[in-house]
Amino acid sequence: IAGITQAPTSQILAAGRRMTLRCTQDMRHNAMYWYRQDLGLGLRLIHYSNTAGTTGKGEVPDGYSVSRANTDDFPLTLASAVPSQTSVYFCDSSVVYPGDTQYFGPGTRLTVL
Amino acid sequence: GESVGLHLPTLSVQEGDNSIINCAYSNSASDYFIWYKQESGKGPQFIIDIRSNMDKRQGQRVTVLLNKTVKHLSLQIAATQPGDSAVYFCAENIGDGGSQGNLIFGKGTKLSVKP
Repeated sequence: IAGITQAPTSQILAAGRRMTLRCTQDMRHNAMYWYRQDLGLGLRLIHYSNTAGTTGKGEVPDGYSVSRANTDDFPLTLASAVPSQTSVYFCDSSVVYPGDTQYFGPGTRLTVL
Repeated sequence: GESVGLHLPTLSVQEGDNSIINCAYSNSASDYFIWYKQESGKGPQFIIDIRSNMDKRQGQRVTVLLNKTVKHLSLQIAATQPGDSAVYFCAENIGDGGSQGNLIFGKGTKLSVKP
């Protein structure tokens, strides 16, 4: 693995189903984030983690949960998907305070029907 | 609430010309700004950043200018190439004690380079 990876690449999901989006980085960055990107609304922060073991809420956290059991992984879970969660989801990592290179994953395109 | 926005949603330039993409921010407490490039179907890619104690920073073919007086940020691309065609986002860091490192993104400007 080089950089940051996300899985799956895309997913179609029935409303009400549970879904976990995976994010892994091998850069030993302390901070990781989840964004959703919607046309006309740009990138909006869902949840973040400044270091392993801690998480925080971003701008649009409702309906999503995260965990940060270790430095490398930062999964995002939709407990009961709804159509408004149809979006492209990006995971990002950085040293705690941005000032160095920030890396985004390739994204996961999620469609909730 | 305070937000980051862009003056121009689209920009079309001729190959070889210089491009200037503008961004306005409203949070006077922001101390760090970043420009990202996003190509179709890909994640945002870091281009260049600048801290609030600087007015200008240069990279390879790109320059970021920060005017704190009017809360304005710009990205200048020299000798624009077809490969520069993408959506460009500015972002500000409004980190506080509880949310250090979080970024607020602008809506984006689409740059189209005509050959």
